[in-house]
Amino acid sequence: SQQGEEDPQALSIQEGENATMNCSYKTSINNLQWYRQNSGRGLVHLILIRSNEREKHSGRLRVTLDTSKKSSSLLITASRAADTASYFCATDDNQGGKLIFGQGTELSVKP
Amino acid sequence: KAGVTQTPRYLIKTRGQQVTLSCSPISGHRSVSWYQQTPGQGLQFLFEYFSETQRNKGNFPGRFSGRQFSNSRSEMNVSTLELGDSALYLCASSLLGEAETQYFGPGTRLLVL
Repeated sequence: SQQGEEDPQALSIQEGENATMNCSYKTSINNLQWYRQNSGRGLVHLILIRSNEREKHSGRLRVTLDTSKKSSSLLITASRAADTASYFCATDDNQGGKLIFGQGTELSVKP
Repeated sequence: KAGVTQTPRYLIKTRGQQVTLSCSPISGHRSVSWYQQTPGQGLQFLFEYFSETQRNKGNFPGRFSGRQFSNSRSEMNVSTLELGDSALYLCASSLLGEAETQYFGPGTRLLVL
């Protein structure tokens, strides 16, 4: 079963706008990661935030983590058409190399 | 370093056949995890191998199996294929597989007719 729930399921914005995606999970975690997937290809790692961190930045990406609410958000600022992809959150589930993924948010950025 | 590679990239099989997929991890990575991605079920964990041992297994039938070699390369096998096995199979590698970033290959797209 999926650990994470993501919303929205789909998001359509114009270039230059910000995109925010949310993820909720069910159990305690060591960290939460965000991945991007272009058109049914492999996943590309974007950012990892540990359970003792509240916010992390990487370029145009900003991730927040609220362990009390078991939720995370990914903000992409000044979006570009090349950001069009599916975005997944994943948690570690305390079982070695096992990631549990949310259903993903499909982001479409129109030029 | 070269990334994670998977072969073949595309496969077409018929029901009842078996298939073997291969994954070469990033050099130095000892953990390899496998995932199945379908439109209906999303990304689901199949199993993880570390130092040639299966360390973790997802909720899949025994038709799905795997192994890891001493050079960390991994294979997964699906026997007696069913239509529902049509999916994108992704492998990912990491150094130790303990709550860390996983690096994914491009996937093998399997179509079962």
